[in-house]
Amino acid sequence: QKEVEQNSGPLSVPEGAIASLNCTYSDRGSQSFFWYRQYSGKSPELIMSIYSNGDKEDGRFTAQLNKASQYVSLLIRDSQPSDSATYLCAVWSRQLTFGSGTQLTVLP
Amino acid sequence: KAGVTQTPRYLIKTRGQQVTLSCSPISGHRSVSWYQQTPGQGLQFLFEYFSETQRNKGNFPGRFSGRQFSNSRSEMNVSTLELGDSALYLCASSGGESWLGTDTQYFGPGTRLTVL
Repeated sequence: QKEVEQNSGPLSVPEGAIASLNCTYSDRGSQSFFWYRQYSGKSPELIMSIYSNGDKEDGRFTAQLNKASQYVSLLIRDSQPSDSATYLCAVWSRQLTFGSGTQLTVLP
Repeated sequence: KAGVTQTPRYLIKTRGQQVTLSCSPISGHRSVSWYQQTPGQGLQFLFEYFSETQRNKGNFPGRFSGRQFSNSRSEMNVSTLELGDSALYLCASSGGESWLGTDTQYFGPGTRLTVL
């Protein structure tokens, strides 16, 4: 079983819609959770971090964490074509472990 | 503040050779982590250095090694290259002070290694 699993996608949403990205993890001792965005040919960049159960909002992005269910999600509201990228879920437990990523395409 | 820099950006080597990649972290950052990214395996953790000491290591063979200098710059070395070592090698720097992992890791642009 992979330590961090994501829906591999690809996921396509129309411009203006909500994109929902999901991630589950296996290590119950995991303490910190991150979402990175990676454009094709570029390196990952951090867009959200979340450390406690509940929701965390930052602009159009909302991260949700449920440690009991070992589940992290990212919602992107009012999706824009510029949001088209691969989104990587990462979980910290002494080291950062990444999921395989979900490729998101926002259609104009 | 200058970002994380990696050199070289591209490398072509042949099987059996060895290679050294370099990473300069953001000024003031003491932790440097190295990752390998391939289409099949995704982003995988290689190792982390903090204040010149290897603090953590992923599941890679001993052919992969690294070191960190007193100015926090880091190098990683891959000996006896195999075709499967072709990948994007990314380094990331952070303050490294938090054991909870709350320090943001900032990634460099990566070194694209091709093994022929």
